[in-house]
Amino acid sequence: GAVVSQHPSWVICKSGTSVKIECRSLDFQATTMFWYRQFPKQSLMLMATSNEGSKATYEQGVEKDKFLINHASLTLSTLTVTSAHPEDSSFYICSAFHPGQSYNEQFFGPGTRLTVL
Amino acid sequence: AQTVTQSQPEMSVQEAETVTLSCTYDTSENNYYLFWYKQPPSRQMILVIRQEAYKQQNATENRFSVNFQKAAKSFSLKISDSQLGDTAMYFCAFMKHTGANNLFFGTGTRLTVIP
Repeated sequence: GAVVSQHPSWVICKSGTSVKIECRSLDFQATTMFWYRQFPKQSLMLMATSNEGSKATYEQGVEKDKFLINHASLTLSTLTVTSAHPEDSSFYICSAFHPGQSYNEQFFGPGTRLTVL
Repeated sequence: AQTVTQSQPEMSVQEAETVTLSCTYDTSENNYYLFWYKQPPSRQMILVIRQEAYKQQNATENRFSVNFQKAAKSFSLKISDSQLGDTAMYFCAFMKHTGANNLFFGTGTRLTVIP
């Protein structure tokens, strides 16, 4: 159990277009999901915390108007990169907090590689 | 603020040997969780082992064990009988026990197991 999926696994888009990435918890309900960004050979940097039914909490330095997060259901959070530019090219990873676990564990999706031309 | 430091960017170990990855952290919290995650070439993050700060006993999970030194704020990972499949990036991570439950990651250690 505790599987998190992401779609798409990779995407290439032109500069100026918007891209939506989906994160789904397949076998549990996740009231909280997290979005991370990972540059090549670097660590995961938290972008925002997504809470079901409320506005996302963004980390300092992350543009909320550029990275739109919607957590409309207990199993789905979406990250939309608006007006993407080459510097937005990165690996985006989501994770979901499983409230049923006896300890605080996050389950990670397989990631989405975004390339902006 | 919480910070996690991994001072070894790269390490290698011979197959079947033992290797220890270092991690130190800084926090003013008294209770928290510590994790080691593995990220193989597939990029999927996999939980290796976790430790709750209020537990003095070091966590073990098959070939993986930790040396948790709370006073020193140190949390090293020991991999015994290294296997080729252990080749990956390893990230040390911190999470508060209460409140915001996001993870703070270290910069990672790239481990290569040599056949």
